[in-house]
Amino acid sequence: DGGITQSPKYLFRKEGQNVTLSCEQNLNHDAMYWYRQDPGQGLRLIYYSQIVNDFQKGDIAEGYSVSREKKESFPLTVTSAQKNPTAFYLCASSQRISVSGELFFGEGSRLTVL
Amino acid sequence: DQQVKQNSPSLSVQEGRISILNCDYTNSMFDYFLWYKKYPAEGPTFLISISSIKDKNEDGRFTVFLNKSAKHLSLHIVPSQPGDSAVYFCAASASTGGFKTIFGAGTRLFVKA
Repeated sequence: DGGITQSPKYLFRKEGQNVTLSCEQNLNHDAMYWYRQDPGQGLRLIYYSQIVNDFQKGDIAEGYSVSREKKESFPLTVTSAQKNPTAFYLCASSQRISVSGELFFGEGSRLTVL
Repeated sequence: DQQVKQNSPSLSVQEGRISILNCDYTNSMFDYFLWYKKYPAEGPTFLISISSIKDKNEDGRFTVFLNKSAKHLSLHIVPSQPGDSAVYFCAASASTGGFKTIFGAGTRLFVKA
């Protein structure tokens, strides 16, 4: 079945450590996204990528980095510069040319900084 | 500045009755609106959408209404079922803005049996 796979589902990190969240899709979608969910704030866009080897900052990119070396993969690194990294992270994808803009989401990764 | 607002954090409805979830937006460039449903510890899933050229779209028990002049949309669920209990996110996108989708904060719906 086509879909988006995020790993790990739960992750604990000590302060000062970088951590990378994996996101893989087999939907043949061109566009991929990373969102962060915090209580009461909905989903906020961190980074997005329209095509391979290209990505753009979203609304809250500080302290995060991404790469898009392959169409199916869009890993997110939460760096030690991110002041409040504890959150639920969601990866999504969509067709590049899509009037509807419908996003397909993974199941999410919950990061807790100890 | 929140471009998409869901002012009700939660809503409680009796099974069988209508659930109405509201959403307001500020950006007149938005031309496509979507509703997503999210269960705890899962990613959101697409529920229903509407283009700005329409004022209503219906899919089974779910209907979305769009009032462009008021920059307001609503999701109606009739009849409500306990399995509808989830968080509902309103989202908007502009076809001229790539695929940057802006989400509201969500409304948690409780459907009581």
